[in-house]
Amino acid sequence: KAGVTQTPRYLIKTRGQQVTLSCSPISGHRSVSWYQQTPGQGLQFLFEYFSETQRNKGNFPGRFSGRQFSNSRSEMNVSTLELGDSALYLCASSLLVRTEAFFGQGTRLTVV
Amino acid sequence: SQQGEEDPQALSIQEGENATMNCSYKTSINNLQWYRQNSGRGLVHLILIRSNEREKHSGRLRVTLDTSKKSSSLLITASRAADTASYFCATEPTGANSKLTFGKGITLSVRP
Repeated sequence: KAGVTQTPRYLIKTRGQQVTLSCSPISGHRSVSWYQQTPGQGLQFLFEYFSETQRNKGNFPGRFSGRQFSNSRSEMNVSTLELGDSALYLCASSLLVRTEAFFGQGTRLTVV
Repeated sequence: SQQGEEDPQALSIQEGENATMNCSYKTSINNLQWYRQNSGRGLVHLILIRSNEREKHSGRLRVTLDTSKKSSSLLITASRAADTASYFCATEPTGANSKLTFGKGITLSVRP
């Protein structure tokens, strides 16, 4: 079966712009989580959605937001981009909560 | 903040040798998971061990969990050059809205 699909794979944005990243989970998976990965901070948890409800949120400013649709696809949005937002953004899907997570290839965001 | 901390941060071994990586964590957990990441790509789930399990095997991988010491180890036997990657442990703490939290990872280099 198809894995987790993240689009786009690469993105270059200018400071102050906003960006929307998309994640299509494995068919049948209802839980989607987002992570930010940078060399200095490692993998930082952003949010988790389950059946369209935000179940958990990490310590990120309000510029970071997300949502999940009825088909379990998820989007995350970052407004007013800053240079420090440059990172690999990873999406993971799980069948349920507390089961193994399957990751997409990530979206590499570069803010210039 | 990182719940799991891996040790060592970097490991270099010869092909055919065994690689042992350790993870320590701070709070009670539901499960502990190990993931692999090849350079700049998504994470691949390797193995999940639940808090009531002590050891688990999957192919050349062996994971142990000691909840009294709040530690886990990942052993890769007969390593191959293709095992070169970063390895992360991730813990899911107990609690209603716990989230999967990753360590900073171990860089494993397997020399041919």
